[in-house]
Amino acid sequence: EAQVTQNPRYLITVTGKKLTVTCSQNMNHEYMSWYRQDPGLGLRQIYYSMNVEVTDKGDVPEGYKVSRKEKRNFPLILESPSPNQTSLYFCASNIKRGAWNEQFFGPGTRLTVL
Amino acid sequence: TQLLEQSPQFLSIQEGENLTVYCNSSSVFSSLQWYRQEPGEGPVLLVTVVTGGEVKKLKRLTFQFGDARKDSSLHITAAQPGDTGLYLCAGAIATTDSWGKLQFGAGTQVVVTP
Repeated sequence: EAQVTQNPRYLITVTGKKLTVTCSQNMNHEYMSWYRQDPGLGLRQIYYSMNVEVTDKGDVPEGYKVSRKEKRNFPLILESPSPNQTSLYFCASNIKRGAWNEQFFGPGTRLTVL
Repeated sequence: TQLLEQSPQFLSIQEGENLTVYCNSSSVFSSLQWYRQEPGEGPVLLVTVVTGGEVKKLKRLTFQFGDARKDSSLHITAAQPGDTGLYLCAGAIATTDSWGKLQFGAGTQVVVTP
């Protein structure tokens, strides 16, 4: 089954404790991205990657890091989490459909930073 | 500042009624997408509209892209409880890398009661 998986699905942590949220897709997509979703703000892109070893900042990259060592995996790293990073996080992968892109989202990771 | 404004933010209706959700912007988009998100899951793509004035139908859902490609609407006829969810619009802005960039609205929460 074609899918995007994220782990963990839920995480409660404390300020300053480094964490990684994993993301994996089995569709051989080149483009992957991370979003955070906050009430009233919609989905905002954190980082994206157009291919292996190619990453770039999205709209809200501060406090986050990513890496793309393999095509299928795109982990999100919070080196020193803070309470304002409490949010619902989504990983997505894209495929081009001519003039537009189809985006497949993972199930989400709900992060709480105390 | 939200690039895409969705209205209303919340809509509660009875089964069998009709509803319309609006997505407005001052920006021109190369394409516009509508997603539905259910609790505990990631957004799922419903439709992509590309041409100004385009109308697409998906069973009881009708999507329209404005002539100027700045706005869109989603109309549901005879809503059913299964239509309950968060509806998100996302406009694609062309970029030099040809992948484009999606800007999301904050979403409209639709609740259909039996």
